[in-house]
Amino acid sequence: KNEVEQSPQNLTAQEGEFITINCSYSVGISALHWLQQHPGGGIVSLFMLSSGKKKHGRLIATINIQEKHSSLHITASHPRDSAVYICAVRRSQGNLIFGKGTKLSVKP
Amino acid sequence: KAGVTQTPRYLIKTRGQQVTLSCSPISGHRSVSWYQQTPGQGLQFLFEYFSETQRNKGNFPGRFSGRQFSNSRSEMNVSTLELGDSALYLCASSLSLAGGGSYEQYFGPGTRLTVT
Repeated sequence: KNEVEQSPQNLTAQEGEFITINCSYSVGISALHWLQQHPGGGIVSLFMLSSGKKKHGRLIATINIQEKHSSLHITASHPRDSAVYICAVRRSQGNLIFGKGTKLSVKP
Repeated sequence: KAGVTQTPRYLIKTRGQQVTLSCSPISGHRSVSWYQQTPGQGLQFLFEYFSETQRNKGNFPGRFSGRQFSNSRSEMNVSTLELGDSALYLCASSLSLAGGGSYEQYFGPGTRLTVT
């Protein structure tokens, strides 16, 4: 069993829909990261959180440390949101481990 | 401020050869991490350097090695290349090492290595 599990693996949405991507982990962590990767490979860090909730524009990330679960929400989705979203956790001893990613496609 | 740069961006090598990839972190960042991304395994941690010292290492064979210089630039080396080493190699820099906390990681564009 992977230490970081994401769901769903693939997601297709219509423009304007509310989107949720989930991440569950089984190890002790000091922080959780949400990353976005566009075709071509470049990775951008969207959020880093260790508790509670963060919001940036149309993106919201939440984490529940007790349940070892995090969600990434996208409100009013847009075709430019199409990308792979990756959850990564920083182990208590330091290194990052990654989920397999969620491929999101938003249709106009 | 310039972002993380990686050279070369693309590389084709033959089995058995060795390769060196370079990463220049954001100015002022002292921590550099390296990751391998393949379609089958996804992103996997290779190693992390801080102040010229390797602080963490992932589960990769000894053919994978790295180093960090006094200006925080880092190189990784893969010797005796295998077909399975074909991947996107990403480096990321951050202000400091994640000890009790965690620091934002800034990723470079990656080096796409193809082994034939």
